Amino acid sequence: AQTVTQSQPEMSVQEAETVTLSCTYDTSESDYYLFWYKQPPSRQMILVIRQEAYKQQNATENRFSVNFQKAAKSFSLKISDSQLGDAAMYFCAYREGTYKYIFGTGTRLKVLA
Amino acid sequence: GAGVSQSPSNKVTEKGKDVELRCDPISGHTALYWYRQSLGQGLEFLIYFQGNSAPDKSGLPSDRFSAERTGGSVSTLTIQRTQQEDSAVYLCASSLGTPPYEQYFGPGTRLTVT
Repeated sequence: AQTVTQSQPEMSVQEAETVTLSCTYDTSESDYYLFWYKQPPSRQMILVIRQEAYKQQNATENRFSVNFQKAAKSFSLKISDSQLGDAAMYFCAYREGTYKYIFGTGTRLKVLA
Repeated sequence: GAGVSQSPSNKVTEKGKDVELRCDPISGHTALYWYRQSLGQGLEFLIYFQGNSAPDKSGLPSDRFSAERTGGSVSTLTIQRTQQEDSAVYLCASSLGTPPYEQYFGPGTRLTVT
């Protein structure tokens, strides 16, 4: 069965600094999607970034970028120039096929002023 | 346009009572999903609807849990004879039936069973 592991329950970063959140996953499939979602206290899950497994180029969205290592089954999120509004729970997720997401247990990110 | 909405936002119920949680997906989204998020855990898949049918109910934890969708739109998740372990946030998401099948989430319903 597919699994997603986030080994960092909590991380802290100084405002304007860079932080990397780790995620590993296990699958025997070759075609899949990986995601990072942000969940602020409002509970609304917000898509941060998406990576398609067949694409070798790492996805980027403004201050957010990923380091996708397919062979190592690793998918880390880098947040540059951290802002107070980045404080939230971050979930890594795997999707195979069209709908079934498997989520990790999340990393709580604290941003220190 | 309007996002996914869920009601109620919070629900407190006594053990043994039945509860209904509602999800209004984004207009035009044919797929709808329910997840459960227990304290300190990630999201646990419960059920997937395509239109009004549910091709995957594999995540429903017991026969006390059921869900339906009518008119290809609103969905209701019903929990009968609630137990304390049912306490969690129940999240709904919807997506188009075309790639990339990106799921858009609602704000969830926090259910507390006392």
